[in-house]
Amino acid sequence: DVKVTQSSRYLVKRTGEKVFLECVQDMDHENMFWYRQDPGLGLRLIYFSYDVKMKEKGDIPEGYSVSREKKERFSLILESASTNQTSMYLCASRDKGAADTQYFGPGTRLTVL
Amino acid sequence: GDSVTQMEGPVTLSEEAFLTINCTYTATGYPSLFWYVQYPGEGLQLLLKATKADDKGSNKGFEATYRKETTSFHLEKGSVQVSDSAVYFCALRNQGGKLIFGQGTELSVKP
Repeated sequence: DVKVTQSSRYLVKRTGEKVFLECVQDMDHENMFWYRQDPGLGLRLIYFSYDVKMKEKGDIPEGYSVSREKKERFSLILESASTNQTSMYLCASRDKGAADTQYFGPGTRLTVL
Repeated sequence: GDSVTQMEGPVTLSEEAFLTINCTYTATGYPSLFWYVQYPGEGLQLLLKATKADDKGSNKGFEATYRKETTSFHLEKGSVQVSDSAVYFCALRNQGGKLIFGQGTELSVKP
């Protein structure tokens, strides 16, 4: 089974802090994604990566950055957390030969006070 | 732009009731269509998919048919169980390969 793990299930940070959300997948997938999930808005794509050291902006990249130094790990960075970044963050991975199926991690619920 | 619209929740049903969750889409070309499910405390899992018009996706008693004429992909199940309680997301993959999600519909099944 494909496994996508995220470093924390729940996280509480203060405004202005730098926040790292880590995601690791164990199936050698090329493609990795970060979404945020908000009630009534579904999932919105923040950033994605097609390969190591490659990154592309999604629909809502403002206030976020990403890092992909190794194929299995994709990090989401909030340089200076703000209260409007309180949300559920979901990581996903996908094999480049299986465009239809993304595998999701369990999510990190981030609260910014 | 491409988009997905689902019926609003929450939907509350009694066990063994019939379920329909409506989903319509707007997209150019011929997108692939998906239903994902998110059980409490977990990430999203692919429930079923259909890649061309008139295809029917099915899994775990759930079904959805790709209707191009009505741009719809409604999710149905004949007899729901308490264990089906979850949030259901309709999604499409557009010509550019991007996955676009609806807002999600929460289903609560009571014994």
